[in-house]
Amino acid sequence: GAGVSQSPRYKVAKRGQDVALRCDPISGHVSLFWYQQALGQGPEFLTYFQNEAQLDKSGLPSDRFFAERPEGSVSTLKIQRTQQEDSAVYLCASSHPDIQSLTDTQYFGPGTRLTVL
Amino acid sequence: AQSVTQLGSHVSVSEGALVLLRCNYSSSVPPYLFWYVQYPNQGLQLLLKYTSAATLVKGINGFEAEFKKSETSFHLTKPSAHMSDAAEYFCAVSDSGGYQKVTFGTGTKLQVIP
Repeated sequence: GAGVSQSPRYKVAKRGQDVALRCDPISGHVSLFWYQQALGQGPEFLTYFQNEAQLDKSGLPSDRFFAERPEGSVSTLKIQRTQQEDSAVYLCASSHPDIQSLTDTQYFGPGTRLTVL
Repeated sequence: AQSVTQLGSHVSVSEGALVLLRCNYSSSVPPYLFWYVQYPNQGLQLLLKYTSAATLVKGINGFEAEFKKSETSFHLTKPSAHMSDAAEYFCAVSDSGGYQKVTFGTGTKLQVIP
């Protein structure tokens, strides 16, 4: 596809359930980011991959959150034993180096809206 | 640590009027600055970015922003609002080193009144 895709678009989980959120980045994009966007807030950084390597996971709120990108393409964000405070939109972004501006442009997917009951 | 502050969580303008969305940044190193737009149930789309090449940055859909170091500001403007501009706008900052870990503001919802 032409853009970043995420699935599912909506997920309802009961408190305590495990969930897995998928991100398909733009083909060839080396960098992949996960963000959490709570209602009425801006996105907050969770974690970053360069190819299959997870170089920064400083934003993951607890050890219940785990992300992987085993083949350097598709990524999965897993949340174990979900809590109500995990309810948010989870955004994935991928980027490609821009040699001219020396900065990456992040392209965002539509997000997965997680509701924990 | 870097951060951005967006003044005004909601802004209303009449169709055809000037759009001004305010953003102030804090960064210990020369920053990269971004404006993103988010339409309902969609992901964020980049409007424009500042990377130190020019202080006045032109983006898509007629938007532009001016980097003012003395004021630590990066306000977003558009001369004439269209109904289709109604959305939420996020200012964001990243430092100039390494990968682009982006810190977002809390967003400003723009309402365009016909």
